[in-house]
Amino acid sequence: GESVGLHLPTLSVQEGDNSIINCAYSNSASDYFIWYKQESGKGPQFIIDIRSNMDKRQGQRVTVLLNKTVKHLSLQIAATQPGDSAVYFCAENAGGTSYGKLTFGQGTILTVHP
Amino acid sequence: DAGVTQSPTHLIKTRGQQVTLRCSPKSGHDTVSWYQQALGQGPQFIFQYYEEEERQRGNFPDRFSGHQFPNYSSELNVNALLLGDSALYLCASAPESGTTDTQYFGPGTRLTVL
Repeated sequence: GESVGLHLPTLSVQEGDNSIINCAYSNSASDYFIWYKQESGKGPQFIIDIRSNMDKRQGQRVTVLLNKTVKHLSLQIAATQPGDSAVYFCAENAGGTSYGKLTFGQGTILTVHP
Repeated sequence: DAGVTQSPTHLIKTRGQQVTLRCSPKSGHDTVSWYQQALGQGPQFIFQYYEEEERQRGNFPDRFSGHQFPNYSSELNVNALLLGDSALYLCASAPESGTTDTQYFGPGTRLTVL
């Protein structure tokens, strides 16, 4: 069945360090991926997305890498700040659309120490 | 431009009761999805509405039903509440076509069943 999982449930870094959050997916038909940030008591906040015809996409301080060969996704955050502390989820869609059903992983807790 | 909005913010019900949650999508979005997020877990897809019809459904019982109105807003109804229905209920909206915009989430409704 479909599943999206995360290798590391928790990640602690110092302010200014770069952070890397990893995600493995099992559905080879997945062709659209999104990273969300969720702060306590709030809904998931869109960070960045990537389609399967790309292997890298950059945003402001964030980069998503997609390795379809090993079905692995990562989120890199440059110069991590205390405000980046949150739970990070990767989500996949196997329908080729940005609006279809998303399957989420368990999440990684990122803690940034000042 | 308002993002996705949900009401109420919090709700407390007792077992066996019925509840209705509401969602207004982001401006320009016509597809609405509902997700259930248990504590410490990633969101789980309940169903999606488009053109006032349920288009896709996750693995949830018939006690969970919904509706979409002509203005694209949506309701989630849960009948015969169980203790296990306690969760954060999230609404996400996206455009069906016309743009490459992605799914955005609302802040959620925290439902507690006693």
